[in-house]
Amino acid sequence: KNEVEQSPQNLTAQEGEFITINCSYSVGISALHWLQQHPGGGIVSLFMLSSGKKKHGRLIATINIQEKHSSLHITASHPRDSAVYICAVSPWGGGGADGLTFGKGTHLIIQP
Amino acid sequence: DGGITQSPKYLFRKEGQNVTLSCEQNLNHDAMYWYRQDPGQGLRLIYYSQIVNDFQKGDIAEGYSVSREKKESFPLTVTSAQKNPTAFYLCASSIAFGSRDTGELFFGEGSRLTVL
Repeated sequence: KNEVEQSPQNLTAQEGEFITINCSYSVGISALHWLQQHPGGGIVSLFMLSSGKKKHGRLIATINIQEKHSSLHITASHPRDSAVYICAVSPWGGGGADGLTFGKGTHLIIQP
Repeated sequence: DGGITQSPKYLFRKEGQNVTLSCEQNLNHDAMYWYRQDPGQGLRLIYYSQIVNDFQKGDIAEGYSVSREKKESFPLTVTSAQKNPTAFYLCASSIAFGSRDTGELFFGEGSRLTVL
């Protein structure tokens, strides 16, 4: 099974800072998901990507397939961005969500 | 608005009791999943269902049971056989299963179960 490592585990920053969260995995994948878990516990899907880069508002996700690495960037961070950010990977051959491997998450706090 | 509804949000159980967590979706998704989340660990798959009247065990199915009698509903029962049931439980759905990837995953708000 894939090993998924996220860094940092915890990150505290000031409002307005540029944030980077990293995700590395050990085995080739078909897709990578970035998820946001808000303090109440619910999870929202932010991105699903298999190559290149995607942007949505202040969030940017990139993936380097050769290096088995993805980054999630937040520009002009705001206290409402405070959440746990989770990386999950799908193995080659699909296999649906039964094959997803999840990272342990990065706990981000943005202070005003 | 379409989405996934989990209930109850908080649940307390005495040892030896079975409890059932509800998960309902109105997204018309075929695939539904139950995950367990423990502090400091990634989500782990309990059960998943590709289609009505079919479900498969995930990585940690022991002590749990599910049913899928309707497309929109996938309840999870935590039985007394589950040795350490205190955890946060998340239900999810996706449009298709078994394709190259699941497509986007949609999650509920979760149910927090505490065994007294």
